[in-house]
Amino acid sequence: QQQVKQSPQSLIVQKGGISIINCAYENTAFDYFPWYQQFPGKGPALLIAIRPDVSEKKEGRFTISFNKSAKQFSLHIMDSQPGDSATYFCAASWTSGYSTLTFGKGTMLLVSP
Amino acid sequence: ETGVTQSPTHLIKTRGQQVTLRCSSQSGHNTVSWYQQALGQGPQFIFQYYREEENGRGNFPPRFSGLQFPNYSSELNVNALELDDSALYLCASSLFTSTDTQYFGPGTRLTVL
Repeated sequence: QQQVKQSPQSLIVQKGGISIINCAYENTAFDYFPWYQQFPGKGPALLIAIRPDVSEKKEGRFTISFNKSAKQFSLHIMDSQPGDSATYFCAASWTSGYSTLTFGKGTMLLVSP
Repeated sequence: ETGVTQSPTHLIKTRGQQVTLRCSSQSGHNTVSWYQQALGQGPQFIFQYYREEENGRGNFPPRFSGLQFPNYSSELNVNALELDDSALYLCASSLFTSTDTQYFGPGTRLTVL
């Protein structure tokens, strides 16, 4: 059972363009939604995260949009740069009891120069 | 502040053998979670340790076991290795009181032949 569905599987964007990655979740108990960035040979690094009490969070060029009723959230990367080329994972967790991250399958982003 | 470290970086084992992977948590963090990341997939939760006790477990068989030590470092042990155990094993640390944010190490690449 895949509790977090991520799309697209891969994405090619020109430098300066907007990259958009979407995720949908099933478990309404989730209350924390982070995005992780992973470069080849490295572990995932936390990029930005949101809680369901807000609909949008922006940090620099990265924005999360959250739609609680649709159980969807997305990552927007503005002014995409070649250095943003990496695999991006959305995740979800609950923060009561013990917390574990449920990840999507990932999106491989390539920003062409 | 030191980040999460893991050892070894790479490991090659044969089917049926046993393996131990090690993780040092980020300074001040008392919770360690282990994840398995198969090629082209998102990380999957194996288990979590808090104050030397297993605090939660994912859908992995008992031949996956772990330990946490008083200094909060941790080990992942896998017995009777199978070919499908080949993956990147990731350790993440967090503050239990702030269970949402998990910081990942670079991982150990395990290859089972």
